[in-house]
Amino acid sequence: DVVMAQSPLSLSVTLGKPASISCKSSQSLVHSDGNTYLNWFQQRPGQSPRRLIYKVSNRDSGVPDRFSGSGSGTDFTLKVSRVEAEDVGIYYCMQGTHWPPTFGPGTKVEIK
Amino acid sequence: QVQLVQSGAEVKKPGASVKVSCTASGYTFSTYEINWVRQATGQGLEWMGWVNPHSGDTAYSQNFLGRVAMTRNISINTAYMELTSLTSEDTAVYYCARSAGFDPWGQGTLVTVSS
Repeated sequence: DVVMAQSPLSLSVTLGKPASISCKSSQSLVHSDGNTYLNWFQQRPGQSPRRLIYKVSNRDSGVPDRFSGSGSGTDFTLKVSRVEAEDVGIYYCMQGTHWPPTFGPGTKVEIK
Repeated sequence: QVQLVQSGAEVKKPGASVKVSCTASGYTFSTYEINWVRQATGQGLEWMGWVNPHSGDTAYSQNFLGRVAMTRNISINTAYMELTSLTSEDTAVYYCARSAGFDPWGQGTLVTVSS
């Protein structure tokens, strides 16, 4: 199975400051169809996961533009340009290129 | 809007089985796979498998082979996940999520296994 590693595992951020989460896969996530199936999910406390970003850099409907995704191959990044209080939660990367789908361990984001 | 609504919390004894439902609305149910993902308390997300509502085809994680069955009833837009031979390690929140893109997710179903 493809192993997804995230860093840091915990992040304390000042309101209004930027935050960045790294996700690295044990194999390239470029699919034979040319797409890279790397998603980012946000799980707020007590809630279900919610997809923020799909195929590396595409923001889902309703996701604030302060969230952005980038990367290629095996290295990916989720950036928040200015952290707000509602961004507290755990962020997971997930690959869907190789079977079975696998998730990263999660990065817990809190406000300093 | 697209929505997945899951059945309520369950308490089971070790060795028992549990069946969780996931009812879809806001789209054509047969068009997208339904994934099942579980999350033990304070832990990460673990993919269990998926069911293709159109064909009934399934694919399961090796971790659950022989213990899980995913089915569907197209007439009521509902997918099911049944897990057998429960142990305390199966205590978790079980989620359904639509399609290979995992969007959206159901609200989750807490399954507690306790004697």
